[in-house]
Amino acid sequence: EIVLTQSPGTLSLSPGERATLSCRASQSVSSSYLAWYQQKPGQAPRLLIYGASSRATGIPDRFSGSGSGTDFTLTISRLEPEDFAVYYCQQYGSSPRTYTFGQGTKVEIK
Amino acid sequence: QVTLKESGPALVKPTQTLTLTCTFSGFSLTTNGMRVSWIRQPPGKALEWLARIDWDDDKFYNTSLNTRLTISKDTSKNQVVLTMTNMDPVDTATYYCARIPTGTYFDFWGQGALVTVSS
Repeated sequence: EIVLTQSPGTLSLSPGERATLSCRASQSVSSSYLAWYQQKPGQAPRLLIYGASSRATGIPDRFSGSGSGTDFTLTISRLEPEDFAVYYCQQYGSSPRTYTFGQGTKVEIK
Repeated sequence: QVTLKESGPALVKPTQTLTLTCTFSGFSLTTNGMRVSWIRQPPGKALEWLARIDWDDDKFYNTSLNTRLTISKDTSKNQVVLTMTNMDPVDTATYYCARIPTGTYFDFWGQGALVTVSS
């Protein structure tokens, strides 16, 4: 089973700064099968990115995803106050059919 | 618009069976390619996928939990039901249902239902 490791665990930044979040897979993952979510306290996760780099409907273009193979990145170009949250990467495995999440990166206000 | 909502008991005792219902609207589980999953999140911890059911009634489970899980659907009621047997305090979590439009990611989520396992 593929394990996703996110780093750093916590990212302390100020509004307006750039955030770079990493998701590393224990085995190669198809780019089509890598997604990112944002979760705020007391809320359900929200889909940000699917297929490693495609923004979900309504997601601002300051969010971008990139990467391939075992290394994927979520970048927030300029942090807005509403972007401080926990971010999860997720991969889909086709054999066996399974879904795995990373442990999350918390983006907090510095 | 697409909505999903989880319902079920807030408190279950150890060894009991948990039954959760996901009631959804805005899409149909009879549509070719549509799928619904259950995911849980213990307090302060990461997300864990549990099970998936497809439009054609295919079912898939987390291999670590599959002996305890059963997922089913009632397309006439737009509902997906998850049962988990032999509940333990470590199963205390918020349980979410979510739609899978293409098979690989979750695009709409319910608000979640917190289930506490305690005697």
